[in-house]
Amino acid sequence: GNSVTQMEGPVTLSEEAFLTINCTYTATGYPSLFWYVQYPGEGLQLLLKATKADDKGSNKGFEATYRKETTSFHLEKGSVQVSDSAVYFCALSETGANSKLTFGKGITLSVRP
Amino acid sequence: DTEVTQTPKHLVMGMTNKKSLKCEQHMGHRAMYWYKQKAKKPPELMFVYSYEKLSINESVPSRFSPECPNSSLLNLHLHALQPEDSALYLCASSQDWSQPQHFGDGTRLSIL
Repeated sequence: GNSVTQMEGPVTLSEEAFLTINCTYTATGYPSLFWYVQYPGEGLQLLLKATKADDKGSNKGFEATYRKETTSFHLEKGSVQVSDSAVYFCALSETGANSKLTFGKGITLSVRP
Repeated sequence: DTEVTQTPKHLVMGMTNKKSLKCEQHMGHRAMYWYKQKAKKPPELMFVYSYEKLSINESVPSRFSPECPNSSLLNLHLHALQPEDSALYLCASSQDWSQPQHFGDGTRLSIL
């Protein structure tokens, strides 16, 4: 079956630090990959996506590249802000009918001023 | 601002009450989802509707009853819930199976 593994958290960084959150996956086919972010008291927001190998998703200064050879989709940001404090979920979805989102466990990021 | 609207934002109910959660989207999406999320955990899929028909029921207890009256609305009817059902209930929609899901802000449900 499909699975997503995220690095253990929580992660605490100072403002303007570099961020990397690791995500690896196991899938039977050729999934689409996603990063979702959940701010306190809110639902999940799609942060970025990639649908095929070597695609790079980017949004709000965050980037992630779909690496088929290492089955990874690591999230990076060059300079984090306090407002980036949230829970980050890596997820995958197979194509086709009845495909479901498979989430990683999520990681809490806290950015201090 | 989210494009998937969920009401109410908070709900407290007793174990014998009947209540409903509502979800609405006007993006023309044809797939709609209910998830349950416990604190510090990822969302767990409960139900999926595709083109207003129930496509997936993830073995959810019958005290949760979904309904899709039309392509824009999704309800979750609740009856005789248990304290362990206290959680954040998230609705999501997507254009179809292959497209990203858009989530509402959820209903925080507390069972007394």
